[in-house]
Amino acid sequence: DADVTQTPRNRITKTGKRIMLECSQTKGHDRMYWYRQDPGLGLRLIYYSFDVKDINKGEISDGYSVSRQAQAKFSLSLESAIPNQTALYFCATWTGSGYTFGSGTRLTVV
Amino acid sequence: GEDVEQSLFLSVREGDSSVINCTYTDSSSTYLYWYKQEPGAGLQLLTYIFSNMDMKQDQRLTVLLNKKDKHLSLRIADTQTGDSAIYFCAETGGSQGNLIFGKGTKLSVKP
Repeated sequence: DADVTQTPRNRITKTGKRIMLECSQTKGHDRMYWYRQDPGLGLRLIYYSFDVKDINKGEISDGYSVSRQAQAKFSLSLESAIPNQTALYFCATWTGSGYTFGSGTRLTVV
Repeated sequence: GEDVEQSLFLSVREGDSSVINCTYTDSSSTYLYWYKQEPGAGLQLLTYIFSNMDMKQDQRLTVLLNKKDKHLSLRIADTQTGDSAIYFCAETGGSQGNLIFGKGTKLSVKP
């Protein structure tokens, strides 16, 4: 099993819809992160969590929310999706010496 | 704020060496990283170097760190077509305990 699992792998949704991207990890790491990747822009931090009760905004948190349901689970929600949120989304955990990334969720908002 | 810069494209011939360069701004970074992203996949940690090291070698990969110039490079010896990917440089410079990534260098390997 992968250390970090993201679901779904691909999703197409309509403008205005609420959507949740899920992330789970098997290694018991405290720190979890959500990043967004856009072509030519690299990875930008959306939200991060140092433990279940510690949730923090990253550089581009507007239009997103998160939930740390358990140490192993960290979900990202788009409350009302808009087309410029079309991107590749990655969840990551901090291992102590680097990140382990999930395989990503490709989200298209039409 | 913190910033990581790298060129966007590099094209080499199979069998040649590839050198991907990166500059960063945060001199307090503890670790510097190279991640590889193959098409349609997530980011895979290739290697990392601790800030008190100048060089790290791992099989075909050589990482060089020049702290004075805040310059990091990744050399891939005997580049193969399977090395074609986007390579991201990253530093532990984030004020929020996060990694700061460059925009990625797309390496194309021609047969």
